[in-house]
Amino acid sequence: DGGITQSPKYLFRKEGQNVTLSCEQNLNHDAMYWYRQDPGQGLRLIYYSQIVNDFQKGDIAEGYSVSREKKESFPLTVTSAQKNPTAFYLCASSMAGFNEQYFGPGTRLTVT
Amino acid sequence: SQQGEEDPQALSIQEGENATMNCSYKTSINNLQWYRQNSGRGLVHLILIRSNEREKHSGRLRVTLDTSKKSSSLLITASRAADTASYFCASIQGAQKLVFGQGTRLTINP
Repeated sequence: DGGITQSPKYLFRKEGQNVTLSCEQNLNHDAMYWYRQDPGQGLRLIYYSQIVNDFQKGDIAEGYSVSREKKESFPLTVTSAQKNPTAFYLCASSMAGFNEQYFGPGTRLTVT
Repeated sequence: SQQGEEDPQALSIQEGENATMNCSYKTSINNLQWYRQNSGRGLVHLILIRSNEREKHSGRLRVTLDTSKKSSSLLITASRAADTASYFCASIQGAQKLVFGQGTRLTINP
């Protein structure tokens, strides 16, 4: 059953703690992306990776970090430096060349 | 910066009516894509139209592209309650990024 998975669906953390969001895909896609979505808003790109062991900052990378050690996995760490981390986080993947992106179900992070 | 801007921000229609959403963008594009998002869920790709295409159909969806006006429209015909969702356009900015607009929230009333 091919697809892209994110876990957990809901995540609660105390302010000052780092937290890592998981994203896994078995679609054999080269490219993977992390987006942030705030209520009633569109998606903003945090980081993206076109190939294993390489990634680039998106529009709002400050306070976030990523790794791409395996083709299937692209975890996102929300660090304590992120000033307003509460949001809905979406992971996506695509074949190289900007074809359609396939999205995971999202992780809703709440930091108090 | 927002590459795509959808209009209207919200649209409410009766079931069976047609729904039209518009998207404007700022820079040259290779393709423009439309996505749907049900509340609290991930996005689902609907349709991709290339810069050399003017119109594309997929089931009840019709997308048009006017590169001279830097605009696209999504028409959903014979709307159903299940079409209630947010709809986003997205286009490539620069060499590597797909940039999404803020979306149109569509509500289909029974």
